[in-house]
Amino acid sequence: AQSVTQLDSQVPVFEEAPVELRCNYSSSVSVYLFWYVQYPNQGLQLLLKYLSGSTLVKGINGFEAEFNKSQTSFHLRKPSVHISDTAEYFCAVSEGGSTLGRLYFGRGTQLTVWP
Amino acid sequence: EAGVAQSPRYKIIEKRQSVAFWCNPISGHATLYWYQQILGQGPKLLIQFQNNGVVDDSQLPKDRFSAERLKGVDSTLKIQPAKLEDSAVYLCASSERRMGNTIYFGEGSWLTVV
Repeated sequence: AQSVTQLDSQVPVFEEAPVELRCNYSSSVSVYLFWYVQYPNQGLQLLLKYLSGSTLVKGINGFEAEFNKSQTSFHLRKPSVHISDTAEYFCAVSEGGSTLGRLYFGRGTQLTVWP
Repeated sequence: EAGVAQSPRYKIIEKRQSVAFWCNPISGHATLYWYQQILGQGPKLLIQFQNNGVVDDSQLPKDRFSAERLKGVDSTLKIQPAKLEDSAVYLCASSERRMGNTIYFGEGSWLTVV
C-alpha cells in the first residue's frame, strides 16, 4: 500500500507571498498524483493531477505542482496567495492494477493566509 | 452536471445506536467509494464498488460497518452499533472506470457519536 507524507501540518503565510506545500510518497512502479483542496464544511475538490508527460502540472486557482520521480515528491506551489486560498490541502496517490482509482491520502496541510 | 449527493449532512447519535448514510453518485460513474475522514487526518478508504460489486473492502470494520450498492447506482453505508471512535466525516465519491480518472467527492456526512 502507498504511504503519503505531507511534511507540514500547518503553513501560515501572508497574502501575496509565495507558498509551497510539500508531499512525498512511497515508491511504486507507476503512480498517479493528485492535490485536493477542502474548504470548511465542504467536500474535496480537485486542484490538479499528474498522470504522465510534463512533470510540471498546472491546476485551478493558479496552483501548480512538480512531479519529481527520483525524490518521489509532488510539491504544490503558488507564486502569490490570496486570503481565499485558506483551506486544507491534501496530497493523494493512486496506483493501477486491482486498486484502480483508489486514492491514498496524506494527513493534510492547513494553509492559512493572513492579510 | 449534478455532483455527488449525500444525506444526511449531519447526524448525532448515542453509542451503540445505528446510523445509515446515503449516496447518489454522478450519473454514469461506475465506481463508487466510501471514505472515512477523522478530524485531523486524511480520508481513508472504507469500501470501493465497481458497478454493484465490491472491489476492495479490506479497511471496512465488518463487525459493525456494512455497505451496499443495489442496481449499481446509489449506495448506503450503515454503522451498527456505533462507537465513539466512529465520529468522523463519511465521504462518498465516484469516478469513471479508467486509469488516472478523477474522483469526485460529495460534501460528506458528519457523524458525531456521544
